[in-house]
Amino acid sequence: DSGVTQTPKHLITATGQRVTLRCSPRSGDLSVYWYQQSLDQGLQFLIQYYNGEERAKGNILERFSAQQFPDLHSELNLSSLELGDSALYFCASSPRDTEFYEQYFGPGTRLTVT
Amino acid sequence: AQSVTQPDIHITVSEGASLELRCNYSYGATPYLFWYVQSPGQGLQLLLKYFSGDTLVQGIKGFEAEFKRSQSSFNLRKPSVHWSDAAEYFCAVGAPNAGKSTFGDGTTLTVKP
Repeated sequence: DSGVTQTPKHLITATGQRVTLRCSPRSGDLSVYWYQQSLDQGLQFLIQYYNGEERAKGNILERFSAQQFPDLHSELNLSSLELGDSALYFCASSPRDTEFYEQYFGPGTRLTVT
Repeated sequence: AQSVTQPDIHITVSEGASLELRCNYSYGATPYLFWYVQSPGQGLQLLLKYFSGDTLVQGIKGFEAEFKRSQSSFNLRKPSVHWSDAAEYFCAVGAPNAGKSTFGDGTTLTVKP
């Protein structure tokens, strides 16, 4: 158990809908990262937040957004969902931001878009 | 920009045999290097990391990896594989002060009885 929690574990929704994925980092970790894992794209970095502020952006679509709240939990919002958004979404946390340390991954949310 | 290549998509070894998973990276300076393991239906778990110093690093579950700057490699090894090691293994490179890491495409390990 990494100490990172993600909810829900599974999510099934229809095209065009909007969903919110939630992540609670390890106690004391200030950085949260979001990743998308799919069979054809592998593990793709989406976005990083540090202590409430966006710190780095990866291959995140404009239909996707994220935020980190004062209690440090983070939410990833996916809108206008398409079939291709079906994937595993991982959240990871680490203690720092620009000093790069290892990341601790949550168990993931499996999103299925039908 | 940094990049990571794991040349082997799939490797099969017999239980008790030795294992080496290859990882090559591209980065202009000394990177931070990591190996993670992902069991089916699970998140990624850190096996070991290299930041600086001794180029042979020990990790959990009996794994080790060696950083070779001249070859831009960070190969993962285990002297004797157990059936429970069957999983997908990811190499990752993190650039200091970059705030994110780049993962390889992963190598799936199958262990034969």
